Amino acid sequence: SQKIEQNSEALNIQEGKTATLTCNYTNYSPAYLQWYRQDPGRGPVFLLLIRENEKEKRKERLKVTFDTTLKQSLFHITASQPADSATYLCAGDTGRRALTFGSGTRLQVQP
Amino acid sequence: GAVVSQHPSWVICKSGTSVKIECRSLDFQATTMFWYRQFPKQSLMLMATSNEGSKATYEQGVEKDKFLINHASLTLSTLTVTSAHPEDSSFYICSAISSGGTDTQYFGPGTRLTVL
Repeated sequence: SQKIEQNSEALNIQEGKTATLTCNYTNYSPAYLQWYRQDPGRGPVFLLLIRENEKEKRKERLKVTFDTTLKQSLFHITASQPADSATYLCAGDTGRRALTFGSGTRLQVQP
Repeated sequence: GAVVSQHPSWVICKSGTSVKIECRSLDFQATTMFWYRQFPKQSLMLMATSNEGSKATYEQGVEKDKFLINHASLTLSTLTVTSAHPEDSSFYICSAISSGGTDTQYFGPGTRLTVL
């Protein structure tokens, strides 16, 4: 079955460093991946969408890559701040416009 | 732009009662909306796809007679949990895709359902 895996349950980094989160997909080839931020008790907030024919996409301090050979997407937050602390979700399209989600990575940025 | 609202944000009900949750796209039209469920410390699981003017498509294992979905207009979808039981307690989140052609899904803030 289509699977999105975020192997790191949690990531702790120091303020100012770059956070790198990993998302792997198995048993299928998503046409696009979407990254979201989710705070406790809240719905996901859209950050970036990257398509399979795009190698990289940037938005302010965020960068996402899509490697179809490795079947992997990397999500980077540069110059991280304590306010970036949240759970980050990777989601792939199912071919029916719905999304299948990874389990998320909880990022903690220490001041 | 691209704001999705949900109402109520939380609800507590007795076992056996029905609960209706509304999902609205505030500043765009959405021909397709989705309903997800999230249990504590787990990720979002798709329950159903809601298309305006037609019947919803349910994922395997989701009872369509228990989770009634109505997508009456381009800005409103409702989920009714009928005869709710404690195991239905969860965080219900809707999302919407603009009918303008984008693939980006925008999510609502979620509804916390607690069934006593």
